[in-house]
Amino acid sequence: EDKVVQSPLSLVVHEGDTVTLNCSYEVTNFRSLLWYKQEKKAPTFLFMLTSSGIEKKSGRLSSILDKKELFSILNITATQTGDSAVYLCAVGETSGSRLTFGEGTQLTVNP
Amino acid sequence: DARVTQTPRHKVTEMGQEVTMRCQPILGHNTVFWYRQTMMQGLELLAYFRNRAPLDDSGMPKDRFSAEMPDATLATLKIQPSEPRDSAVYFCASGLVLGGRTYNEQFFGPGTRLTVL
Repeated sequence: EDKVVQSPLSLVVHEGDTVTLNCSYEVTNFRSLLWYKQEKKAPTFLFMLTSSGIEKKSGRLSSILDKKELFSILNITATQTGDSAVYLCAVGETSGSRLTFGEGTQLTVNP
Repeated sequence: DARVTQTPRHKVTEMGQEVTMRCQPILGHNTVFWYRQTMMQGLELLAYFRNRAPLDDSGMPKDRFSAEMPDATLATLKIQPSEPRDSAVYFCASGLVLGGRTYNEQFFGPGTRLTVL
């Protein structure tokens, strides 16, 4: 059975801190790993990673994938209160479009 | 402004009643997903369709849930009869599979918050 495990499950930091969120996976036919941000509404897409070792960046957020060790990290530098959300990791398979989601990491950034 | 739309946004109903949730995928997307999210279970895939055909509905309780795509612009999720344990946020998402390539990115609708009393 496909499995996606995120850690930590929750994290509380102060504004300006840097955080690293982890996602490990066991998927039969891996195609891609995706990160989503969910505030009090629907998940919104952040990154899609398909190749090992290539960092994707968007402003203060960056992510990288290690297909050999089967994990990804999401980094957020100089955190702001607006970064407070649940960050979801999901893995997609080659056989179709289905995504398997992790439990998410609840990030709280305090002023 | 391409986005997934869902109706209703909120639904409160009594146990035993039928509930129908609707989703309009992004125009041109050919894959539609139904998810359920609760505090206890997180985000669960209920069913998904490609080109209107159901590909996987193993996540759905078959005795009371049904999902259909009457046409390419409408997906429905029906619960009959509803039970309190069905209370959750139901998300629809759409994506694109083109020419044999799988694009795993999915775009989520705003969700339907269902409360069954």
